[in-house]
Amino acid sequence: SAVISQKPSRDICQRGTSLTIQCQVDSQVTMMFWYRQQPGQSLTLIATANQGSEATYESGFVIDKFPISRPNLTFSTLTVSNMSPEDSSIYLCSVVLPQGADIQYFGAGTRLSVL
Amino acid sequence: QKEVEQNSGPLSVPEGAIASLNCTYSDRVSQSFFWYRQYPGKSPELIMSIYSNGDKEDGRFTAQLNKASQYVSLLIRDSQPSDSATYLCAVNNNNNDMRFGAGTRLTVKP
Repeated sequence: SAVISQKPSRDICQRGTSLTIQCQVDSQVTMMFWYRQQPGQSLTLIATANQGSEATYESGFVIDKFPISRPNLTFSTLTVSNMSPEDSSIYLCSVVLPQGADIQYFGAGTRLSVL
Repeated sequence: QKEVEQNSGPLSVPEGAIASLNCTYSDRVSQSFFWYRQYPGKSPELIMSIYSNGDKEDGRFTAQLNKASQYVSLLIRDSQPSDSATYLCAVNNNNNDMRFGAGTRLTVKP
């Protein structure tokens, strides 16, 4: 597996502000993903973070609300923009390792509360 | 129809018993199948992966796959209280298009 560091681990934010979540991996990875897990729910894919190009977003998620960067093969950020209480959730990054078939490994997550 | 369906539970078993977790999926082209365990407040942790029809055993865990029936299951033998968690079934189509079930909450009672 790999060491996947996510920051911050949790935050409490005010409505209308933005938060950037970082995901750092200790080795180069093939693919990186961002998920949202709302309370008591399963994981919903937000987007695939593509290195050197625009992220690929799932239906219901747009770049203006969730801009994503992936400047290299070990790092990505997800920004939650113009937050509302409905954005309160856990945000998780996951990676696929070059040698790991298609298994996804998850970071520890960012627990976001929006007031 | 949901892409990946699981009984949400809760499933309660006594310590030492076999816990059986089930999952069905809708996309026949699905290639890879996974079981993740998630403790409250923690991120999902991979328990098992299975790619071919039949059984795959790893310690107390056995994954079973039947592609014709579009069914995958996880058996936990000699269940322990530490196995109490939510178990997520995940199905991967091509290009790492992974879909998760809603999860089954398992409680193992001492």
